[in-house]
Amino acid sequence: AQSVSQHNHHVILSEAASLELGCNYSYGGTVNLFWYVQYPGQHLQLLLKYFSGDPLVKGIKGFEAEFIKSKFSFNLRKPSVQWSDTAEYFCAVNHEYGNKLVFGAGTILRVKS
Amino acid sequence: DTGVSQDPRHKITKRGQNVTFRCDPISEHNRLYWYRQTLGQGPEFLTYFQNEAQLEKSRLLSDRFSAERPKGSFSTLEIQRTEQGDSAMYLCASGDRSEAFFGQGTRLTVV
Repeated sequence: AQSVSQHNHHVILSEAASLELGCNYSYGGTVNLFWYVQYPGQHLQLLLKYFSGDPLVKGIKGFEAEFIKSKFSFNLRKPSVQWSDTAEYFCAVNHEYGNKLVFGAGTILRVKS
Repeated sequence: DTGVSQDPRHKITKRGQNVTFRCDPISEHNRLYWYRQTLGQGPEFLTYFQNEAQLEKSRLLSDRFSAERPKGSFSTLEIQRTEQGDSAMYLCASGDRSEAFFGQGTRLTVV
């Protein structure tokens, strides 16, 4: 069965610090990869997604993620976080012809101003 | 607001009662999903509809759970004989294979 691991459950950073959130998945076939964000009191929103092509994908609000197939990883990065990035971040995967997303447990990011 | 709408937002019920939640997807989306999220976990897939057809169900969906999507529009999720372990956030999403748009969820508390 597919599974997704997110390495850190809580991350605290100061504004302007760089961010990297780890995500590893277990599935041997072709996968589609996603990062979703949930701001306090809001619904889950898509940050970025990878289906094929350039393994470095850029999303909204300055976020990017790199797909490393050999490591089964899809880490999320941002060079300089802002207080408004405080949220919970979820990595998710579905297989190429799948209908459902499998989510990681989430990482709660708190950015101190 | 043309996003995914869920009703109610909160539901408190006594153990053993039945509850029903409604989801109104984005109108042009054929696919509709239900997920469940508990504290400290990511959303877990429950079931998936393509138009009115329920095409996939998780093993998490016991026989106390039933979902429908009549006419391929809104969907309902019913839980019969609720148990305390059913307390969770129930999320609905609509979209296509490339993206799922989530609603704000219905938070169920079973007391």
